[in-house]
Amino acid sequence: DTAVSQTPKYLVTQMGNDKSIKCEQNLGHDTMYWYKQDSKKFLKIMFSYNNKELIINETVPNRFSPKSPDKAHLNLHINSLELGDSAVYFCASSQELDTSGETQYFGPGTRLLVL
Amino acid sequence: AQSVTQLDSQVPVFEEAPVELRCNYSSSVSVYLFWYVQYPNQGLQLLLKYLSGSTLVKGINGFEAEFNKSQTSFHLRKPSVHISDTAEYFCAVTEEGSYIPTFGRGTSLIVHP
Repeated sequence: DTAVSQTPKYLVTQMGNDKSIKCEQNLGHDTMYWYKQDSKKFLKIMFSYNNKELIINETVPNRFSPKSPDKAHLNLHINSLELGDSAVYFCASSQELDTSGETQYFGPGTRLLVL
Repeated sequence: AQSVTQLDSQVPVFEEAPVELRCNYSSSVSVYLFWYVQYPNQGLQLLLKYLSGSTLVKGINGFEAEFNKSQTSFHLRKPSVHISDTAEYFCAVTEEGSYIPTFGRGTSLIVHP
């Protein structure tokens, strides 16, 4: 019954590895997002995506890539992990892309630690 | 581009006391305003939002916020807090025509017995 789910909940890995985080929403929403929350709780959007458009925050390194097999899923793939990638990553979804003021529904987060 | 300022990084308060969490924003266009709450080890959940109409918005768990356009503020209030309100609170702003919110840095509300 979870609206937005993410796996894994915790991810500990070595520097240089490649990893993926999965996200699924069962709300029938058209738009999904990835956010990064740093150790100071600052929340920054990384990507927004629907079947029409991928919007990339230009500050996100190209080692990060979203992959969407279908409307209900938006996975985050990270290449060559760095220490600074350690953070909590949140997936979110909203009903529509084109309407301002949409509520976003967040997943529980994936806590990534790069050693 | 819009920006959001939450001046208080931490607000300690005793149970049953009133609380106000401050949020100010800057934008050159009309905005939509949100408050989200993040309980420990969980994702964010919407408390309330202002899109248009009445400037006083009521949300879940007894919270309310008031939009003040002249002061570009959207402060969150609750008349009597509970221990269970201990959480991180985020103010967010979306400019009209955009669908990407900008979040403040969060305010940690700590309710003491």
